[in-house]
Amino acid sequence: KAGVTQTPRYLIKTRGQQVTLSCSPISGHRSVSWYQQTPGQGLQFLFEYFSETQRNKGNFPGRFSGRQFSNSRSEMNVSTLELGDSALYLCASSYYRGGGAGTGELFFGEGSRLTVL
Amino acid sequence: KNQVEQSPQSLIILEGKNCTLQCNYTVSPFSNLRWYKQDTGRGPVSLTIMTFSENTKSNGRYTATLDADTKQSSLHITASQLSDSASYICVVSARDYKLSFGAGTTVTVRA
Repeated sequence: KAGVTQTPRYLIKTRGQQVTLSCSPISGHRSVSWYQQTPGQGLQFLFEYFSETQRNKGNFPGRFSGRQFSNSRSEMNVSTLELGDSALYLCASSYYRGGGAGTGELFFGEGSRLTVL
Repeated sequence: KNQVEQSPQSLIILEGKNCTLQCNYTVSPFSNLRWYKQDTGRGPVSLTIMTFSENTKSNGRYTATLDADTKQSSLHITASQLSDSASYICVVSARDYKLSFGAGTTVTVRA
C-alpha cells in the first residue's frame, strides 16, 4: 500500500509570495491533517479535513488555508509568506476522523520543506 | 503552557545501552497517547498507541508505559542501536479529537 505522498518536497519562496502544498493520503483514508514543524515550536496542528469538510483548526492566521477534494487529496495554501513561515509542513492521513482518535493510526508523509527568503 | 511536556530535551547514549524518555500531560478528557519516532528530515512514524485502560505496550525494543492517574508516560528503549538516533515525540489525543504534541526528545546513539 502506498504511503502518504507530499509534493513538492522542497521549495524556496520570497516574502509576500504564496505557496500551495499537496498531499495524497493512503488509499481509503478520508481524514487528512496538516502540521507545521519548526525547531523552536515543534509540531503544531494546522487543520484537519474529513470528507471534504474542515473539522478542526489550529491557532494559525487566516493566511493558512486548505481544502480537500472528493478523492481525499488535500492542498494547503499559505498566502503573503513571512520569514517565520519557513518550516517543515507535514501531512498525515487516517481512516478515522480526528487524526486517528481512538485507536486509529495516523500516518505521516515525508513533508514539504518551505524556505522563505 | 504546553499540555504535553517531554524530558529530557536530548540525551546521548552508547550503543547497546538502555534509556527512558518521559512524557507528562495535562490533556483532558484523555483519549489516547502515542509515541512517534522521527528520523532527521523524515516524517514521524508511529511506535505505540495506548488508551486509558492500557498500562504497557511494546513494539520490538520499544516499550511504552502509561499511568493515566498521574498522567505520565515513558518510552523505554532497550539495547539501543545506531538507528535509534532520532527525535521521539509524545502525542496526546483528547476526546474532542484534538491532538497535543510534545516538543520531542532527541536521542543520539554513539558507537
